[in-house]
Amino acid sequence: EDQVTQSPEALRLQEGESSSLNCSYTVSGLRGLFWYRQDPGKGPEFLFTLYSAGEEKEKERLKATLTKKESFLHITAPKPEDSATYLCAVQAGGNKLVFGAGTILRVKS
Amino acid sequence: DTAVSQTPKYLVTQMGNDKSIKCEQNLGHDTMYWYKQDSKKFLKIMFSYNNKELIINETVPNRFSPKSPDKAHLNLHINSLELGDSAVYFCASSRDREYSPLHFGNGTRLTVT
Repeated sequence: EDQVTQSPEALRLQEGESSSLNCSYTVSGLRGLFWYRQDPGKGPEFLFTLYSAGEEKEKERLKATLTKKESFLHITAPKPEDSATYLCAVQAGGNKLVFGAGTILRVKS
Repeated sequence: DTAVSQTPKYLVTQMGNDKSIKCEQNLGHDTMYWYKQDSKKFLKIMFSYNNKELIINETVPNRFSPKSPDKAHLNLHINSLELGDSAVYFCASSRDREYSPLHFGNGTRLTVT
């Protein structure tokens, strides 16, 4: 069965304090790994898609990387507006995404 | 312009009632979905339609019935609501069946009392 585990469950950072979120996965035949951001009361917002080990994507202060077993979302010099829940999801066959439970990030100024 | 919109945003109802949630997307996407987010925040797929054809039907009680009148709309009807149906339901769409990222609506919080 496809599984996604995210860690830590919650992370508190000071503004400017860089860190990483982890997404480890077990899937037969990875077609893609997706990162989403979810703000309270809103739907998930797409950030990145990674397709193969070694691939990296960047957007502003965020950088996503992928290995054969896990993905990292690196946050460089975060700001309070980066506070959100970050969700990781994997896609195997078909168009069904399997989501992790997310990491709640709080950035304090 | 809202890309994926769903109504209502909040729905409070009693056990045994029947209710519907509506979803519309103006992105021109071919595939639409219903996801359920439970109290532990896990998002789980319920249904997926591609050009009005049902392509994913997860293990969901048959009290839940999706309907897609056209590829821009996907509604969810729930019969005989139960306490365990309380959750946030998200509609989403994607350009095609595989690899394309999902675009989500802002959810419908259903509370069954």
